[in-house]
Amino acid sequence: EVQLEQSGAEVKKPGESLKISCKASGYSFSTYWIGWVRQVPGKGLEWMAFIYPGDSDIRYGPSFQGQVTISADKSISTAYLQWNILKASDTAMYYCARGAAYAEGQHDFWGQGTLVTVSS
Amino acid sequence: QSVLTQPPSVSGAPGQRVTISCTGSSSNIGAYHDVHWYQQFPGTAPKLLIYGNNNRPSGVPDRFSGSKSGTSASLAITGLQAGDEADYYCQSYDSRLSASVFGGGTKLTVL
Repeated sequence: EVQLEQSGAEVKKPGESLKISCKASGYSFSTYWIGWVRQVPGKGLEWMAFIYPGDSDIRYGPSFQGQVTISADKSISTAYLQWNILKASDTAMYYCARGAAYAEGQHDFWGQGTLVTVSS
Repeated sequence: QSVLTQPPSVSGAPGQRVTISCTGSSSNIGAYHDVHWYQQFPGTAPKLLIYGNNNRPSGVPDRFSGSKSGTSASLAITGLQAGDEADYYCQSYDSRLSASVFGGGTKLTVL
């Protein structure tokens, strides 16, 4: 059974750094894209960043290049999303999702979400 | 402004058929990239509803169907039920952006 287990909710201050995680199980981690989708409260889904753990190929959504860093550790089947300098506008729910074996594919499994609140 | 355009809302009575459109461009849907659809209930993660334009994952009722033509795609829901009331999103890959994109989402209301 495919599962994506995300790290818990975070409350941070503007200017702080943060790294959230998504541990995958039940499939071959290296052979599927995995990444992150943002949802600001009351708003739609935004495709942020995805990585192919097999060769570390990375794609960033147009609004997120340079704003966040995605990474993956194949040894523990875990994907990460990192911010160096958080802003209040980063407050959102962040979903981890599995992609297909190719970059253009669908997202068939989703994590439970990690709520990030950035407030002074 | 989303790369993929969806109507903000649609509505229908129980038992009726509704469609949700997703309009793109020559760099995404029109470039022969597949369209996928997701259903999201409040407070929950999105769920894959249709993949590869018109394929249903196991467990999705055949009341849900997808189609694609030119630079647009559509999700059709027949035999509308109260439990279908949710937000629906389309997704496709964009060659110009080298990234996937979501539509802005459509809220379905069952009257």
